[in-house]
Amino acid sequence: KAGVTQTPRYLIKTRGQQVTLSCSPISGHRSVSWYQQTPGQGLQFLFEYFSETQRNKGNFPGRFSGRQFSNSRSEMNVSTLELGDSALYLCASSRQRQGWGPRETQYFGPGTRLLVL
Amino acid sequence: KQEVTQIPAALSVPEGENLVLNCSFTDSAIYNLQWFRQDPGKGLTSLLLIQSSQREQTSGRLNASLDKSSGRSTLYIAASQPGDSATYLCAVTPQGGSEKLVFGKGTKLTVNP
Repeated sequence: KAGVTQTPRYLIKTRGQQVTLSCSPISGHRSVSWYQQTPGQGLQFLFEYFSETQRNKGNFPGRFSGRQFSNSRSEMNVSTLELGDSALYLCASSRQRQGWGPRETQYFGPGTRLLVL
Repeated sequence: KQEVTQIPAALSVPEGENLVLNCSFTDSAIYNLQWFRQDPGKGLTSLLLIQSSQREQTSGRLNASLDKSSGRSTLYIAASQPGDSATYLCAVTPQGGSEKLVFGKGTKLTVNP
């Protein structure tokens, strides 16, 4: 079974531009989450999607947005890029279970490394 | 607000040594705790998942324990090898109907030949 894939793997942008990152989850996984990783802040949760609906959002400005398609693929968009947005952006998928109870392993993609100049 | 702390931040050991990595969390209302491995510039690889009702999980040379009441977990690596060199991250899934993970800052492990 193929793992989580993310495209592109590397991006260089300049301040003020916008960027779109893509994530394809493992087949059959309906939950997709996004994280930002920086040396100073570590891994921080951006948002989570399930069945095309955003279920949870981290503490990031509105410049960060995302969406999920009917095939569970997800995109995140960052508008008006700032130098501080330079980071590794990681996507994770899992077999979502409804309601409360145990959660299953989350599987991460290789990430997209974004450099903002 | 859930916070996860990992100590030490870095650890260097000779090959063959057994070692323990520590993780603590502030809120015991969690679904599970996961240990991940991250190689430089790469994504995360899941090592072990411990559900909140479990005490430990084992995979090969790895053993992870969970004491939810005290907010602690340990990852034990037996007979360490240079290939074990990586950053090890601990993460919890807070209860609340979401898949959100809260991560520690990680322990960077170096195993010297």
